[in-house]
Formats: sequence, structure tokens, C-alpha cells
Amino acid sequence: AQSVTQPDIHITVSEGASLELRCNYSYGATPYLFWYVQSPGQGLQLLLKYFSGDTLVQGIKGFEAEFKRSQSSFNLRKPSVHWSDAAEYFCAVGATGANNLFFGTGTRLTVIP
Amino acid sequence: NAGVTQTPKFQVLKTGQSMTLQCAQDMNHNSMYWYRQDPGMGLRLIYYSASEGTTDKGEVPNGYNVSRLNKREFSLRLESAAPSQTSVYFCASKRQGPGANVLTFGAGSRLTVL
Repeated sequence: AQSVTQPDIHITVSEGASLELRCNYSYGATPYLFWYVQSPGQGLQLLLKYFSGDTLVQGIKGFEAEFKRSQSSFNLRKPSVHWSDAAEYFCAVGATGANNLFFGTGTRLTVIP
Repeated sequence: NAGVTQTPKFQVLKTGQSMTLQCAQDMNHNSMYWYRQDPGMGLRLIYYSASEGTTDKGEVPNGYNVSRLNKREFSLRLESAAPSQTSVYFCASKRQGPGANVLTFGAGSRLTVL
């Protein structure tokens, strides 16, 4: 069965500190993987995606993620967090020809000055 | 460049009332989706339309109906609202073709059923 696990419900980091948000997936086919960000009261915006090739992908706003097939993980990282990064982050998995994406339950990021 | 537009943004209903959430996209995308977002549960697919003229059930279709009015518009109807349908609803669309699994989301519609 397809599923996405984001084990951290809420993370608090200081501005300027590094960040890593965890994502583990279970998917029968070769996965497409995504990270979306949702600011309060807004829809979801795509941060980055992995379809194939280089397992380290770069996204918008200075985020990157690394696909590790052996660990079924796709963790999101940022070297230096800004106050504007405070939001909720969702990991999602899909596949070629699939009609649906499966979303994790989200990780809320709080940034303290 | 509107993208995906949802109306209304907020709605309060009483149990048993009906309403329709509207969604329109201007990106010429073939596929459209309705998700609901509940605390601690992420996004769950209600219905989707892979192309104009087709609709299919997702994970949580009970209590909802949809209409793919044309390529641009995909509406979600609650015939008899229940408190369990209190949620934030998101419409999304995606194009066909290589690398086409990227969903574009609307801003959401917050529904409260009393």
C-alpha cells in the first residue's frame, strides 16, 4: 500500500540554523517524490520534485532534498532558515501514469528569532 | 495569471444544507482534483477528473458529488452537509505529458458545518 510518513509533527528552529525535515515513503512502483509548502491560509506551493536522475534535487527558496532509495526516504534540507520559512511542509509520492499523489500528514515549522 | 481559482473561500452551513464549491483553472490542464485537508491527516483525495467528461472516486468520496463542467471547471457538491465534512477543501490541476505529475493548487475553501 502506498503511504508517506512524516515523523515530525512540529519542528522549531532558530533563524539561521540548518533544517532537515524527514519523509519516508512506501510505494510499489518507481516513485515520483515532491515537497510542497503551505503558508497560513494559502494553498500548497511546489518546492521541489524528484522524477529520476541525480538524487540530490534543488528547489526554490534555497531548499534541497535527497532521494535515498535504500532508505525509502526523501528528506528536505536547508542550510540556513529564514523567518519567512515558517509554514507547513508536505511530502508526497506518486508515479508515472498514476492519477493520485499520496501526501504525508505534514510538518509544521516554527522559526524563532 | 490566475492558475487555479476556488470559490467561495469561506462558508458556514447547517447540517443538512447543500452547497457547491467551484473550481476553475486557466492553464489548459487536463486533470483536476478535489482534496480535503484535516488536522493531522494531510490531504486526502475526494474525487478527480483525469480528462474532460470523466470523473473517478478517490480515497474519501462518500457524501460528495462532482461535475466536470468543461475543461476549465470542476465543481464539488455536498448534497446534505454533515459536521464531519467540516474541512478545508483544495482544488488542484495538472497537465498531461512528460514530467506532468506536478499538481497546481488553489488557495482553498474553508467549510464549517454546524
